[in-house]
Amino acid sequence: EPEVTQTPSHQVTQMGQEVILRCVPISNHLYFYWYRQILGQKVEFLVSFYNNEISEKSEIFDDQFSVERPDGSNFTLKIRSTKLEDSAMYFCASSPDRANTQYFGPGTRLTVL
Amino acid sequence: AQKITQTQPGMFVQEKEAVTLDCTYDTSDPSYGLFWYKQPSSGEMIFLIYQGSYDQQNATEGRYSLNFQKARKSANLVISASQLGDSAMYFCAMRERNSNSGYALNFGKGTSLLVTP
Repeated sequence: EPEVTQTPSHQVTQMGQEVILRCVPISNHLYFYWYRQILGQKVEFLVSFYNNEISEKSEIFDDQFSVERPDGSNFTLKIRSTKLEDSAMYFCASSPDRANTQYFGPGTRLTVL
Repeated sequence: AQKITQTQPGMFVQEKEAVTLDCTYDTSDPSYGLFWYKQPSSGEMIFLIYQGSYDQQNATEGRYSLNFQKARKSANLVISASQLGDSAMYFCAMRERNSNSGYALNFGKGTSLLVTP
């Protein structure tokens, strides 16, 4: 069964450093999403992406964040200058269309020291 | 205001028993979807079941069923014949179709379920 994959599974970085989280969505899906989950809290929406552009973003997704689909398979989330409060689990998700179920990847646990 | 409310932070159930996890939601959008996801201790988010606001029947997927009461704005998850592997966090989520929220999922805070032998 096709699934969303994410790399790395864990990332530890120093405050102020740039990180890139990578995702490979399910191959025939057209909509891509990033969510985050701070430890012990609920899952929060960051951004959705369709047709090579952002279709929606939350208040969390400020200028420090960017997303890109550099090729036909990868979907990346970049945090330019990480802060301590960026420590969280970051989930990528994809769906075949925007009204359909979103399937989540296994997540990347980001720790900012 | 909370869009999704899960009032049970933790639940216990004995193996082979059924358990209901509560979820209430708040929306003025007539078109919306409700989802349940399971998050085991390993951290991944596993899709379980979906209910559309216009669906006439309650959704079922194997041992999972959704008790959808539209007038009460509740979408409770029922797990029948619980198994030890059902121990996990369970999240209710809603997707509204309106110009403000687009199609982002709005999650509740989750319920931690522990299945005991």
